[in-house]
Amino acid sequence: QVQLKESGPGLVKPSETLSLTCTVSGFSLTSYHVSWVRQPPGKGLEWMGVIWGDGSTAYNSALKSRLSISRDTSKSQVFLKMSSLKTEDTATYYCARDADPGVMDAWGQGASVTVSS
Amino acid sequence: DIQMTQSPSSMSASLGDTVTINCLASQDIGNYLSWYQQKPGKSPKLMIYGATNLEDGVPSRFSGSRSGSDYSLTINSLGYDDEGIYHCHQYYEYPNTFGAGTKLELK
Repeated sequence: QVQLKESGPGLVKPSETLSLTCTVSGFSLTSYHVSWVRQPPGKGLEWMGVIWGDGSTAYNSALKSRLSISRDTSKSQVFLKMSSLKTEDTATYYCARDADPGVMDAWGQGASVTVSS
Repeated sequence: DIQMTQSPSSMSASLGDTVTINCLASQDIGNYLSWYQQKPGKSPKLMIYGATNLEDGVPSRFSGSRSGSDYSLTINSLGYDDEGIYHCHQYYEYPNTFGAGTKLELK
């Protein structure tokens, strides 16, 4: 069945770079897009960016200067890197399969990231 | 960016009630609107896409509708399993944007 799982450090210091991995199974990264969405504690969802099946990307302009999404299709992994972290980046980060496009029909369990010194 | 104004922010209803949650888009988004249900500590779950299409496995008590730039999620015969936060989401253009969420509680 379709599964996505985020992994990465739970704690990152301000100004450092966050690196998260989304490992997928049950579908091919060349056939589906994968989006990243984050949710600060007690707040709403924020779409961060997407990597399409052809490998191209689109980012939220509010994060574009700090954000990079890439993938390794041989390992069925999608990577998120975000630089110059601030305390406001504390959130749960989700990866989601993006079916057609923008319809996120399967989500990972989420990775909780705290930005603190 | 397209703003999605979601209302109400919270609501309380009784078992068996019918409830409606609304989202107003700041510009035309066609039918590029989905609804997600999120339970505490869990990831969002797709309920409705294309404004009116029910995702596989979602009970038919859930329905979506559109009137111009106003989108609604209606839940009939409310059950305890329907408690959670509901998010609307526009995917007409990037950046995709979400409503602020509606917290639904049962009395």
